[in-house]
Order: sequence, then C-alpha cells, then structure tokens
Amino acid sequence: QTVVTQEPSFSVSPGGTVTLTCGLSSGSVSTNYYPSWYQQTPGQAPRTLMYRTNTRSSGVPDRFSGSILGNKAALTITGAQADDESDYYCVLYMGSGIWVFGGGTKLTVL
Amino acid sequence: EVQLVESGGDLVQPGGSLRLSCAASGFTFSNYAMHWVRQAPGKGLEYVSAVSSNGGSTFYANSVKGRFTISRDNSKNTLYLQMGSLRAEDTAVYYCARRPGAPNYYYMDVWGKGATVTVSS
Repeated sequence: QTVVTQEPSFSVSPGGTVTLTCGLSSGSVSTNYYPSWYQQTPGQAPRTLMYRTNTRSSGVPDRFSGSILGNKAALTITGAQADDESDYYCVLYMGSGIWVFGGGTKLTVL
Repeated sequence: EVQLVESGGDLVQPGGSLRLSCAASGFTFSNYAMHWVRQAPGKGLEYVSAVSSNGGSTFYANSVKGRFTISRDNSKNTLYLQMGSLRAEDTAVYYCARRPGAPNYYYMDVWGKGATVTVSS
C-alpha cells in the first residue's frame, strides 16, 4: 500500500518563505510521478496550483513554485500572504490509472 | 465558461445505493478523461475513480472497487458515479474533476463544487 506523505501542518510568517513537501512511504518521488498540487480552503472545492512538478496552473501567482528536492516533490511559497492560509494537497500518479493523494498540509500564516 | 456541476447527493441508509451526476459545460467533454474525488468530513482528499475520454477504460480505488461504477454519456456531457453497498465510511463530499486531454498530463485542472453523500440510518 503506497502512502504519500505530507507535513500535517506548517506555519509561516507573512512575507516569509515556506516549502511543503510530498514524499513516498517507500522510495523517492521523481518527475515520473507527475506531482501536482492543490489548494483548498474550508468549504470550498480544491484549486489546482501546480502540475508536472513545476508548471503553474493558469492564474496562479509566481510566488508559488514547484520542484523536486532530494527524494520529494516540493511546493514553495515565497512572500506568503494571509490568503495563502489553506490546506495543500499533493497527488502522485502511480501509473495504470492509479492516483494517490497525500494527507494534506494545513498552512497557517501568522 | 468551463464548468462542472455535481448533483444527486443525498442521505442514504447503509447498504443502499445512490447515483451521482456531473454535468459538464464550456468545453468538449468527449476529449477529456474524468475523475471522482471525495473528502470525508474533516479529512483529506481521496481518489475514488476515473474514466477515459471514450468511457472504454475505468479505474477505481481499492476502497470502492466492486461497489462503485463510473460511467459517462458523452452525448449528454455527463459523468456518473453509481454507488452501491454504501457504508458509513463513504460519507463525504464527492467532487468531479477534469483531467487534461494531452498525453502525459496527469493532473486535474477543473473541479466541481461537490455533492454531499451521507450514509446513515
């Protein structure tokens, strides 16, 4: 059973930089897993932020960036703003039509 | 405007059945694979099922395999999720989502607002 791991919570100061990560319980995340990232605020549908590791979705500001850091996918927010306070989910494509979501990271901006 | 609108959510008893629909508009529905993703109360997102653009290939999470059936009617621009043998743990908001049609674009780019399914006696 593949588990995609994310930090349960993270805190960043306004204007600060934070990096959220997305790993595998066994093995390394690479671009071959086509990591994508989604932002969700309470009561709302997810919003697509990033796909194919580091491509921003339409309308996403360039203070959001994606990468592979070591053996994990990463989402970095540079110059965090109050409205970045959300839950962030990564998804990995495992092949054969199987997708696995991470457990999500609750980001607090304070 | 590209839009996905789910419907059919309801309160259903354990062991019961329900069919969700997702009406698509603003794009050529038949060009896109489609997904269902759910979120239990206070929990994270969970992949449920996916169907190819022509309906010929379907995929399911282990948690719903054998109980749920995904399908689509491209003439009606509608995606379906037939849910059976429902359990309390199927209680969730169910989102439909679009996957871009280009090869090797494995992500969901458009999401509906969700339909709420509650399984309880």
